[in-house]
Amino acid sequence: KAGVTQTPRYLIKTRGQQVTLSCSPISGHRSVSWYQQTPGQGLQFLFEYFSETQRNKGNFPGRFSGRQFSNSRSEMNVSTLELGDSALYLCASSWTSGSGGELFFGEGSRLTVL
Amino acid sequence: QKEVEQDPGPLSVPEGAIVSLNCTYSNSAFQYFMWYRQYSRKGPELLMYTYSSGNKEDGRFTAQVDKSSKYISLFIRDSQPSDSATYLCAMSGLMRRDTDKLIFGTGTRLQVFP
Repeated sequence: KAGVTQTPRYLIKTRGQQVTLSCSPISGHRSVSWYQQTPGQGLQFLFEYFSETQRNKGNFPGRFSGRQFSNSRSEMNVSTLELGDSALYLCASSWTSGSGGELFFGEGSRLTVL
Repeated sequence: QKEVEQDPGPLSVPEGAIVSLNCTYSNSAFQYFMWYRQYSRKGPELLMYTYSSGNKEDGRFTAQVDKSSKYISLFIRDSQPSDSATYLCAMSGLMRRDTDKLIFGTGTRLQVFP
């Protein structure tokens, strides 16, 4: 069974640009959550999508957005990039929404903003 | 003050040692407690899952929850170099499992040397 796949794995952008990250969940999983991981703050919750609907949102500015497609694949977008957006962005899928099911994480997309 | 506090380490121990990893939290509504292990350049993977207070054992790993002290621990017996990783605690409440999100600690980096 294939795991959670995130693309791209690494990317470098400059301030002011925008970026789109993609996540393919485990087959059959309908929930996709996104986390930002930095050394100082650890894993911080961005948002969760379940059956194409945003179920929960963390405390991030509106520059961070996401969506989920009918096949459960998800994308997140960050506009007007800032230096502080440099981080590992992790996607996790689960068979159910919220905290009810185990989260399966991808290997992440490492974003560097120059 | 963060909802979940975790010593970042690094914690360096010799092979065969007993390792104790800990997290404290401030939200008394937390009911589910998890430990994730993250190897370098990989996403986190679920290691242990406990509900409410008490102990849970799985092989060399024991998870302990003390809700009265808002303190959780992960013990690793007979530690191996392959246990070298970052260990993240995570927890969530019970009120709305379909929309609750996991709150993660910042992670403790463990190094087990031969």
